[in-house]
Order: sequence, then C-alpha cells, then structure tokens
Amino acid sequence: DVKVTQSSRYLVKRTGEKVFLECVQDMDHENMFWYRQDPGLGLRLIYFSYDVKMKEKGDIPEGYSVSREKKERFSLILESASTNQTSMYLCASSSGQGSGKLFFGSGTQLSVL
Amino acid sequence: RKEVEQDPGPFNVPEGATVAFNCTYSNSASQSFFWYRQDCRKEPKLLMSVYSSGNEDGRFTAQLNRASQYISLLIRDSKLSDSATYLCVPKDTGGFKTIFGAGTRLFVKA
Repeated sequence: DVKVTQSSRYLVKRTGEKVFLECVQDMDHENMFWYRQDPGLGLRLIYFSYDVKMKEKGDIPEGYSVSREKKERFSLILESASTNQTSMYLCASSSGQGSGKLFFGSGTQLSVL
Repeated sequence: RKEVEQDPGPFNVPEGATVAFNCTYSNSASQSFFWYRQDCRKEPKLLMSVYSSGNEDGRFTAQLNRASQYISLLIRDSKLSDSATYLCVPKDTGGFKTIFGAGTRLFVKA
C-alpha cells in the first residue's frame, strides 16, 4: 500500500523557534508538495519539488523554506515560527508531470504559542 | 478571479437524496480534473478523475463542461458515510503545481 508519512501528528512550538516538518514517501514519486489547510481557506500550496534538490514556490512561500536532499524525503522549515503559522500542514506526493493524483500524509497540526 | 471556486455549502441532505456540486476553474489550459474527498480531521483522498466529458463510478458521476469551465459531481442515493468535504482539482497537463478548491461540505442525515 502506498504511503506518505509525516513525522508528527501534533506539534506545539513557541514563537521564534525553528521548526522542521518531515515527510517521507515510499512510492518513488518524483513530485512532492507541502500545503497548509486553514478553516475557510482550503488547501494552499506552500512549496513543491519535482526532483531532488529542485524546489518551486507555491502560492504562500513567505516564512517557509524546504529541503529535498533525497527523492523520498521533503522537509518544510519554518525559520522563525510565528502565531499565524498555526495550521494543519499536509505533505503530498505524485508521479509524472501534470498528474493531479496526489497521495497525502495524515497531516501535522502545528500550534505556535 | 480565483483559480478554482467551489460553493462552500454546507449541503444538508437526507439519506437517499441526490446532490450535486459545481466547481468553476479559470485556467482554460486545464485538461484533467479530479475530485477528492476529505473526511473530518483526515487527509484528502482521490475520489474520481475526469479526462473527457465525464466519468461515472457507482453512485458518483463527474461531468465536465469545457465551454463554461466547470465540473460537477453528482452523488445519487446519498449515504451517511458520504458526509465529507469534496475538493475540486483542475489540472493543466504541463504543470507540476496542483491547486485545490476550498471544498464543498456535505452532511447526509438519517
């Protein structure tokens, strides 16, 4: 069974902390994505990567960075967490160019206090 | 105009009812379309793909209207277990970026 695994289900951090969210997929997918989901706003794309060491900004990249050193792993980094980054973070992967078939991890609910 | 627009609902329907949601998209280059289902506090999961005029899978039918740039999802004989948020994803073939609609909430009641 295909699997996208996010390292934490719930995370509580303090303002100003550096936060790492990890995502691993076991499907040998080329593409990986980070979204955040907020009530009333739906899923918003933060960053995506279509190959190792490649990354592209999504719609809301400010305050975030990413790292993809290995094909199976895509990390989201909050350099200095702020309260407005409290959200549900979802990682996803897909294969091929132009595919809309994404497989999601179960999400990380991040609270920044 | 947003890239993808959906009626947020909620749609409250009794069991056995037929319900339909629409989704409009702005990118005329979109060639394939997807409906995802997201249960409360869970991740989205792919429900249906639509590559031409439409697709049917059991009680679910997705239709595409390219001229008016919208897709619809029809659910017949609604079940309690259909209660979820339904997300629309229009996709252009050449791009990696995948944008989701904000979703339509459905509540099916006994």
